[in-house]
Amino acid sequence: NAGVTQTPKFQVLKTGQSMTLQCAQDMNHEYMSWYRQDPGMGLRLIHYSVGAGITDQGEVPNGYNVSRSTTEDFPLRLLSAAPSQTSVYFCASSYRASGGYEQYFGPGTRLTVT
Amino acid sequence: AQKVTQAQTEISVVEKEDVTLDCVYETRDTTYYLFWYKQPPSGELVFLIRRNSFDEQNEISGRYSWNFQKSTSSFNFTITASQVVDSAVYFCALNPGSSNTGKLIFGQGTTLQVKP
Repeated sequence: NAGVTQTPKFQVLKTGQSMTLQCAQDMNHEYMSWYRQDPGMGLRLIHYSVGAGITDQGEVPNGYNVSRSTTEDFPLRLLSAAPSQTSVYFCASSYRASGGYEQYFGPGTRLTVT
Repeated sequence: AQKVTQAQTEISVVEKEDVTLDCVYETRDTTYYLFWYKQPPSGELVFLIRRNSFDEQNEISGRYSWNFQKSTSSFNFTITASQVVDSAVYFCALNPGSSNTGKLIFGQGTTLQVKP
């Protein structure tokens, strides 16, 4: 059971380039989310999904695109990278546990846009 | 508005001291869930505790304890007899509402440094 996996771990992009951050989970969780972490700001929700084929925007969705064609995968696409997207990106998945909802986080992807 | 505030940006203590990390939240929902996560220097996020809004019992797990007070909208975290391995960034988070949508609202985080 690998949990939540993210690839790549590190990435450097030039302004204007596009790329996809991969996220996969093998726990059959319905819910998956993408967050970005910036110094002094905690984690902020970018996009989330409550099941295959269903996605919605979070707090900071601009410049990012997502799709959820399978339960297992939830890729995050940067359409045209900007320096403001330099951040650490975390993917998470969750299910409804007794008494609440526990989110499992991937190890993160550190992205630098120059 | 739904918000989580961790007013302490950085805390530095000497090993074996007790330390309390503050968390204040805002939500209009009557059902909600609160979490604490630990982020050690290696960068991963480690789940510590989940608490629902109907359970105000304090919880103790080894050297860790949590004090949930709805009257003050606070969910504070205390580490007793701190150790160097407790050095990390700690996040408080809110899952508003009774339905899980995979959404968490995080505080800004508190960096705890425990010196030997």
